[in-house]
Amino acid sequence: DTAVSQTPKYLVTQMGNDKSIKCEQNLGHDTMYWYKQDSKKFLKIMFSYNNKELIINETVPNRFSPKSPDKAHLNLHINSLELGDSAVYFCASSPGDSYNYGYTFGSGTRLTVV
Amino acid sequence: DAKTTQPNSMESNEEEPVHLPCNHSTISGTDYIHWYRQLPSQGPEYVIHGLTSNVNNRMASLAIAEDRKSSTLILHRATLRDAAVYYCILRDSRLGMRFGAGTRLTVKP
Repeated sequence: DTAVSQTPKYLVTQMGNDKSIKCEQNLGHDTMYWYKQDSKKFLKIMFSYNNKELIINETVPNRFSPKSPDKAHLNLHINSLELGDSAVYFCASSPGDSYNYGYTFGSGTRLTVV
Repeated sequence: DAKTTQPNSMESNEEEPVHLPCNHSTISGTDYIHWYRQLPSQGPEYVIHGLTSNVNNRMASLAIAEDRKSSTLILHRATLRDAAVYYCILRDSRLGMRFGAGTRLTVKP
């Protein structure tokens, strides 16, 4: 049983399209995150939700909109996709927002914009 | 933000111990030291974390300097499967887990 699962695993789409990536965790965690890993392999935090409330919102284009329908799910919707959005997107979860909690990551969604 | 400094890369021989260093001279009293690793084509994986005392788990040991300005992740017997990028992170609850460039560990058979 996968703890943090993301769908789809691969996504190839054309510039200008709108797409969504879904994330679900079955760990009972309260906090979920989205990270982006670009071609240079740097992992950058994008958003964080704690119990469905947005708590971290980095400097990310407003074409990216996270949605958390419940604390087990955090989806990422991207409007008007651009070439620079091509990256691997990772979802993660943790029991809470405390310093003392580790994160569990999903296996990633590789997004390619052509 | 408190920052960490790690070597870009390290090499190790299989079945030998590996000591991965991390400097964090501007660490604050409430910063936890976390270590993650990322195997090729996988998501980051939690390894270990600690605050002041040394920590052990089934994957590794974490040795924290008395002044907390540095720490060392110890893999007791490296295997080929341990080849990965290892990240040392200071956890600030307000900002979430922030990854640097990490150390790429190569394990030679």
